[in-house]
Amino acid sequence: DTEVTQTPKHLVMGMTNKKSLKCEQHMGHRAMYWYKQKAKKPPELMFVYSYEKLSINESVPSRFSPECPNSSLLNLHLHALQPEDSALYLCASSHPTSETQYFGPGTRLLVL
Amino acid sequence: KQEVTQIPAALSVPEGENLVLNCSFTDSAIYNLQWFRQDPGKGLTSLLLIQSSQREQTSGRLNASLDKSSGRSTLYIAASQPGDSATYLCAVRPYAGGTSYGKLTFGQGTILTVHP
Repeated sequence: DTEVTQTPKHLVMGMTNKKSLKCEQHMGHRAMYWYKQKAKKPPELMFVYSYEKLSINESVPSRFSPECPNSSLLNLHLHALQPEDSALYLCASSHPTSETQYFGPGTRLLVL
Repeated sequence: KQEVTQIPAALSVPEGENLVLNCSFTDSAIYNLQWFRQDPGKGLTSLLLIQSSQREQTSGRLNASLDKSSGRSTLYIAASQPGDSATYLCAVRPYAGGTSYGKLTFGQGTILTVHP
């Protein structure tokens, strides 16, 4: 099974809302990633978790808060977002020794 | 700072043609290079990963080569089909260690259209 699942598929939220994105994998991968992708642009790395610990934070604003409760699950908590945060949010995972990153289908986020 | 460039930005070919997508990178100190495809509004699908010590990888009709010293990789697609239509992205990972772990630098992508 080489599947990374993400929920929800679509999300519309106001600037005062709090919401969470969820990502799950059952491949035994110990590295998980959040990316942000704007239209017609490549993905931009936001966060990397390695063995459930945050190892990379690409200077992401604090209104994005990642969480890795266990080795299979990755969350992204959203609060007080801006319209320019509207994008496709992609989750990925990899086994450290193989390093091929497997991506989920993404959550399409619209901030009004 | 690593920069990744993909040429061409867009490509339209008739079905059955063999084609080559190009990827170049400015810093040759890479750990590996990965090719992905992305269908509109979808996630990325990994196609091939080439370690820095390898020269090429093959999967079905796809062949990817790597020339680390010149900072180039090519993705060769044989006998193209309409189902190959997608955006193709290459991404490089810096040499392992320190804070570079897992960080991929992507090119802007090549939009491929294969028409019947």
